[in-house]
Amino acid sequence: DTEVTQTPKHLVMGMTNKKSLKCEQHMGHRAMYWYKQKAKKPPELMFVYSYEKLSINESVPSRFSPECPNSSLLNLHLHALQPEDSALYLCASSHLTREQYFGPGTRLTVT
Amino acid sequence: EDKVVQSPLSLVVHEGDTVTLNCSYEVTNFRSLLWYKQEKKAPTFLFMLTSSGIEKKSGRLSSILDKKELFSILNITATQTGDSAIYLCAVDKLIFGTGTRLQVFP
Repeated sequence: DTEVTQTPKHLVMGMTNKKSLKCEQHMGHRAMYWYKQKAKKPPELMFVYSYEKLSINESVPSRFSPECPNSSLLNLHLHALQPEDSALYLCASSHLTREQYFGPGTRLTVT
Repeated sequence: EDKVVQSPLSLVVHEGDTVTLNCSYEVTNFRSLLWYKQEKKAPTFLFMLTSSGIEKKSGRLSSILDKKELFSILNITATQTGDSAIYLCAVDKLIFGTGTRLQVFP
């Protein structure tokens, strides 16, 4: 199984809502990543988890809260988002020194 | 500040042409450089380079890294319309370049 799955595929939320994005992999990867990608821009790193511990937080606002409950799952909790947070949110996983596999992304629209 | 720069930003060619995409980088602790192809959705992995001068090849695609001059190139020979995509390079899986948009016309 060389797949990273993400749910939901699309999400529309209001600025007062609380929602979560989910990411799952069963490749035994111990590094998992969240990226944000705006239209016609490259992915921007948000968070990195290594061995279920947060190892990199790229100064992301606290309205984004990551969680890694176990080695296969990665969540991104969203609260009080702004319209400019609308983007494609990509999850990826990898062995620590190998290439990443990306999920299909969640397209988020904040209204 | 770490940065990754790709050139050209955009490239339009005809089927059968050969293209060379460039990625230069300035980072404090380099470990690896990766190339990805992105069409409609998520990037798909092409190559991972860690050593200078060793060419990686997959079909019509090849890539090489120069750690002295801090750049990598991605070559695509005999291009096909299915090669149309954005090609991204990333250093250490953390910093992505701006991408090169390749359009291949019949």
